[in-house]
Amino acid sequence: DTGVSQDPRHKITKRGQNVTFRCDPISEHNRLYWYRQTLGQGPEFLTYFQNEAQLEKSRLLSDRFSAERPKGSFSTLEIQRTEQGDSAMYLCASSWPDSSYNEQFFGPGTRLTVL
Amino acid sequence: EDQVTQSPEALRLQEGESSSLNCSYTVSGLRGLFWYRQDPGKGPEFLFTLYSAGEEKEKERLKATLTKKESFLHITAPKPEDSATYLCAVRVLSGSARQLTFGSGTQLTVLP
Repeated sequence: DTGVSQDPRHKITKRGQNVTFRCDPISEHNRLYWYRQTLGQGPEFLTYFQNEAQLEKSRLLSDRFSAERPKGSFSTLEIQRTEQGDSAMYLCASSWPDSSYNEQFFGPGTRLTVL
Repeated sequence: EDQVTQSPEALRLQEGESSSLNCSYTVSGLRGLFWYRQDPGKGPEFLFTLYSAGEEKEKERLKATLTKKESFLHITAPKPEDSATYLCAVRVLSGSARQLTFGSGTQLTVLP
């Protein structure tokens, strides 16, 4: 399977704990995005990387959130001191560089539950 | 602020009963309108990209169209396996922005 992969698929944690999610994009894609989706809503943009550079961050991305893409391949999203409001599906997507192909391809997501 | 509104929120159809989903948008400069399908507990699956008013794309029982203010996803003779949430999203001209802005989706149920 050469699609976007995410790990873990599900994470249950207690309030105040730190969690880290991993995303492996499609290999030839140099752009990687993180989104958050709550029940009944569409995905909301969090942050975007081109290669290893983090070029855009949403105001939704509080100081407790940090994302990295150290070698321009896989990415991690860490949430520190989790809160119940962080419970959501965290989606990763990747795309080619700007050309005729702007489509973003999504992974299966990581479902986070904060107790 | 860029806005994307989808209607209806939910739609129940009998198998074979054709219908349309609506996505209206208010953006500063459109660089693409995207349709995705999302099954419960899964990530969105890409369907179509539309770039300019008058453009149409088709895939099996689905046809997407675009005007200057809205897009329609037409579903012809749907089958139960078409049941899913359909999301539309826009990408806009805004500096270095590359993100998609999504609507809340239309939850489609096709009854056998």
